[in-house]
Amino acid sequence: EVQLVQSGAEVKKPGESLKISCKGSGYSFTSYWIGWVRQMPGKGLEWMGIIYPGDSDTRYSPSFQGQVTISADKSISTAYLQWSSLKASDTAMYYCAKPMVRGVGHAFDIWGQGTMVTVSS
Amino acid sequence: DIQLTQSPSFLSASVGDRVTITCRASQGISSYLAWYQQKPGKAPKLLIYAASTLQSGVPSRFSGSGSGTEFTLTISSLQPEDFATYYCQQLNSYLLTFGGGTKVEIK
Repeated sequence: EVQLVQSGAEVKKPGESLKISCKGSGYSFTSYWIGWVRQMPGKGLEWMGIIYPGDSDTRYSPSFQGQVTISADKSISTAYLQWSSLKASDTAMYYCAKPMVRGVGHAFDIWGQGTMVTVSS
Repeated sequence: DIQLTQSPSFLSASVGDRVTITCRASQGISSYLAWYQQKPGKAPKLLIYAASTLQSGVPSRFSGSGSGTEFTLTISSLQPEDFATYYCQQLNSYLLTFGGGTKVEIK
């Protein structure tokens, strides 16, 4: 079964760092892009960026460039989303997702269960 | 960036109604468009890809159409399990974007 399993909920203070994970299984992890999506409480979906684990080619949405870092460790089939200094406005649910076909331009049929990040003093 | 404008942002409908949601792109994206359904507390679920292709396992009452800059998602006969929020997504480049969403509620 193809699946993405994300790390558990996090509660952090402003200024702290954080790295959340998304582990792929049931498919060739290095052959498919992995994307990250933010959903703030009560709001819509926002595309953050995408990484190709095969060579770590990474593209960011302009809104998130410089605010987060997307990475991957292909040896353990895991993608990451990290912050160096969290803000209260980073409070959101974060999803990873995999496209249905190799390459760009394809819809995302497999989604992780989401990781809730709460940033509060 | 390519912007996607969904309308309406909210609609109230009854079981059995035909429902149409529109998604307009700020520039042409050919058929690089997908539709997702999201229920509270759940991850999005893919309904339609390539603008008009029904994802496996999705009921045939869902359909998509359009190309270029204007797209529609139609639910031919709304069922109780269809009350949710729907999003379009353009896939024309690495800078993927979502529409603002359409919440479908029970009248």
